[in-house]
Formats: sequence, structure tokens, C-alpha cells
Amino acid sequence: SSELTQDPAVSVALGQTVRITCQGDSLRSYYASWYQQKPGQAPVLVIYGKNNRPSGIPDRFSGSSSGNTASLTITGAQAEDEADYYCNSRDSSGNHILFGGGTKLTVL
Amino acid sequence: EVQLVESGGGLVQPGGSLRLSCAASGFTFSSYWMSWVRQAPGKGLEWVANIKQDGSEKYYVDSVKGRFTISRDNAKNSLYLQMNSLRAEDTAVYYCAVLAARPLEWAFDIWGQGTMVTVSS
Repeated sequence: SSELTQDPAVSVALGQTVRITCQGDSLRSYYASWYQQKPGQAPVLVIYGKNNRPSGIPDRFSGSSSGNTASLTITGAQAEDEADYYCNSRDSSGNHILFGGGTKLTVL
Repeated sequence: EVQLVESGGGLVQPGGSLRLSCAASGFTFSSYWMSWVRQAPGKGLEWVANIKQDGSEKYYVDSVKGRFTISRDNAKNSLYLQMNSLRAEDTAVYYCAVLAARPLEWAFDIWGQGTMVTVSS
């Protein structure tokens, strides 16, 4: 199918580890990329490719992939990590792009 | 400083038209695929369109095909989105983004701040 599925909401205790997942058939062929979006702001790329972080993204953010599922892991979540997280990938049928529905992360 | 600045949003009636612009600076604009991504109020991100470096390839999400046209002017470091036959469901913040089209993943490396388009009578 041409879609990416994310859990709508996830919560994590301050300083603990949280995994946000993204499922879709296209992930068997392409890596997911991950974006963080805080209220009223544009999205920011946090992970791309196999497990790459753009300059300025803390190393507590990491990515992984297995089969049709990609994961974003935050190790030692901080209060400033509370945000919406979106995955995206190339559509396996061609040159279109898919986004997941987003996961709202709450840091308790 | 790498920067994308969108403009051209506003209020338009259903069936109307609007042209969005995105001014790029701080990087070699002509070397990158570019995209438009939108976000309806309170909703998630939706890819709208892509354009190749030289404008020779363009792709659209099905819901805008035939109504929207993406274009670019590399001499002016600018990206455009011509939106015709606008519908209420096109109401969204429209983001301009640099698309890094790597072999195994396409990622939006850089985003503008967005411009709001409201389609309403």
C-alpha cells in the first residue's frame, strides 16, 4: 500500500528512552527520514538514511530499520524533545513522496 | 546562511487562483530538487510536488494534479507553485523545501517558514 503508519501519540518519562515507529511497504525498498515539528514552527530533519544526523542534531536521536518498519529512538529524552514527529519515504512506485500521519511525543 | 522564504499566501475564494513563491539563498539552488509540502490546520504533513534541478521532471500528489503547477527559475534562485481551481481542502500552510534525492532515501533537508493559504468564501 502507498502509505506510512505511525502511532498517533507516545509518552516517555524525562531521561528515559522512547522509540517511535513508522510502517509501510515502501520501507522495504527505501530508508525513512524523520522530522521534528514544534508548535508554530517548520519541521526540522533529525534523521535521514540508514542512521544519519544533520549537523546540530543531538546524538540522543538515532534511526534504525527492519523489514517494513523504521524506528526513531531518543535515548535520554529531554523536555525540549516534546514535539510532533513525522516519518517520510519515497513511494516505491516512483517519484512520489509519502509522509506518516505523525506521532505526538509527550515528555513526562 | 541557508534560507528559504515563502510568499504569496492569503485568502482566496473557492475556484480562485494563487501563486506562491519561494526565494532561496545560501546554497547552490540549481543543484537540488525542490518541493512543496503542505499542512492543513491541525493536521499532518502532505507532500504536494517535486521539481528536478533543471525543471525537466515534475511530480504531483494526485489530489492537485491538473490544478497545481510547480516551476523554478534558477537564475533567480526561486521556486513557484501556481495553484488554480482552489478548493476548501487546499487550505494549509505551504512549505518550500530542499529535497535531497539520495539513492535510497529522499529527505527534506531544509524548510522555509511556510505561507498560509486559506480557501474560503
